Amino acid sequence: EAQVTQNPRYLITVTGKKLTVTCSQNMNHEYMSWYRQDPGLGLRQIYYSMNVEVTDKGDVPEGYKVSRKEKRNFPLILESPSPNQTSLYFCASHMGRAWRDNEQFFGPGTRLTVL
Amino acid sequence: KNEVEQSPQNLTAQEGEFITINCSYSVGISALHWLQQHPGGGIVSLFMLSSGKKKHGRLIATINIQEKHSSLHITASHPRDSAVYICAVSTNYGGSQGNLIFGKGTKLSVKP
Repeated sequence: EAQVTQNPRYLITVTGKKLTVTCSQNMNHEYMSWYRQDPGLGLRQIYYSMNVEVTDKGDVPEGYKVSRKEKRNFPLILESPSPNQTSLYFCASHMGRAWRDNEQFFGPGTRLTVL
Repeated sequence: KNEVEQSPQNLTAQEGEFITINCSYSVGISALHWLQQHPGGGIVSLFMLSSGKKKHGRLIATINIQEKHSSLHITASHPRDSAVYICAVSTNYGGSQGNLIFGKGTKLSVKP
């Protein structure tokens, strides 16, 4: 089954404790992205990757890191989480740059609470 | 001003009603997406279109490129259609080509 998986689905942590949210897709997609969703603000892009070892900042990259060492995986790293990073996070992927390849596939979401 | 604007923000309908959600955008796009997010949180892609009209079951999506406007219609609405509907556009410029810009969503509630 074609899918994007994220882990963990729920996480409660404390300020400053490094964490990683994993994302994996099995569709051989070139593009992967991380978004956060906050009430009243909608979905905002954190980072995206156009291929292995190619990543770039989105609209709200501060406090986050990513890596793309393999095509299928795109982990999101919070080196020193803070309460303002409490949010619902989504990983997504799509095939490529041409518009016909833009159909988005979303992971199930990770609800993160930073105390 | 947001680059992608949706209206209305909230919509309550009676079962069976015809529903329209509107989306306007101000940037160059290669495609427009309609997404659905159920109360459980997951997001699914309903439509992706670059021109004209697409239909899937009771859902119809249209886009007018000249007017930079799209509509999502739901015919014979049902309580299971209750969800947040999100309009997003794929940009067609610069290094971020293919990235999405999202509207803030329309929360639809269909009463039985």
